[in-house]
Amino acid sequence: DIQMTQSPSTLSASVGDRVTITCRASQSISSWLAWYQQKPGKAPKLLIYKASTLEGGVPSRFSGSGSGPEFTLTISSLQPDDFATYYCQQYNSSPFTFGPGTKVDIK
Amino acid sequence: QVQLVQSGAEVKKPGASVKVSCKASGYTFTSYYIHWVRQAPGQGLEWLGVISPSGGTTSYAQKFQGRVTMSRDTSTTTVYMELSILRSEDTALYYCARGTSYYGDYWGRGTLVTVSS
Repeated sequence: DIQMTQSPSTLSASVGDRVTITCRASQSISSWLAWYQQKPGKAPKLLIYKASTLEGGVPSRFSGSGSGPEFTLTISSLQPDDFATYYCQQYNSSPFTFGPGTKVDIK
Repeated sequence: QVQLVQSGAEVKKPGASVKVSCKASGYTFTSYYIHWVRQAPGQGLEWLGVISPSGGTTSYAQKFQGRVTMSRDTSTTTVYMELSILRSEDTALYYCARGTSYYGDYWGRGTLVTVSS
């Protein structure tokens, strides 16, 4: 199975900050990566797929980049609604594994 | 609007089976795959597998092969996930998610399955 890691595990930031989360795969997954946002008590929400394609309705302050084994999710200016946990998921090969998550909390 | 309505919480004993349903509406049922993903309390996300509502074909994570069965009923636009030989480690919130064959773009609210003697 492809193992996914994320860093940092927790990130403390302020409204307006630029935030970057890194996701790394244990082998190359080309651009077959999705990012999700999950708030407490809620289902995950798709933000980005194919590493950098923004899902419809997702604010443009979210962006994704990378390929192969290393990817980043960037929030250009953190908003109050963005405090949540973020997961990456590879879909290069089954099982479609998730990273352990990065919690973004208020500084 | 897209809706995925999941069945209610279940409490099962170890060794038993559970069958969770996911009723889809607001879109063409056979045009999107349905994934099943679970989340143990306070933990991350784990992918169980995916089913094509169109042809019924399935792909399961190796970890769950032999214990999980995904099925669908096109007449009621409902997808089912059955997990057998339950153990305490299967206690989790089970989500269905509509999407491509690779990822989910719209998720249900989840069904809590508790395995306890």
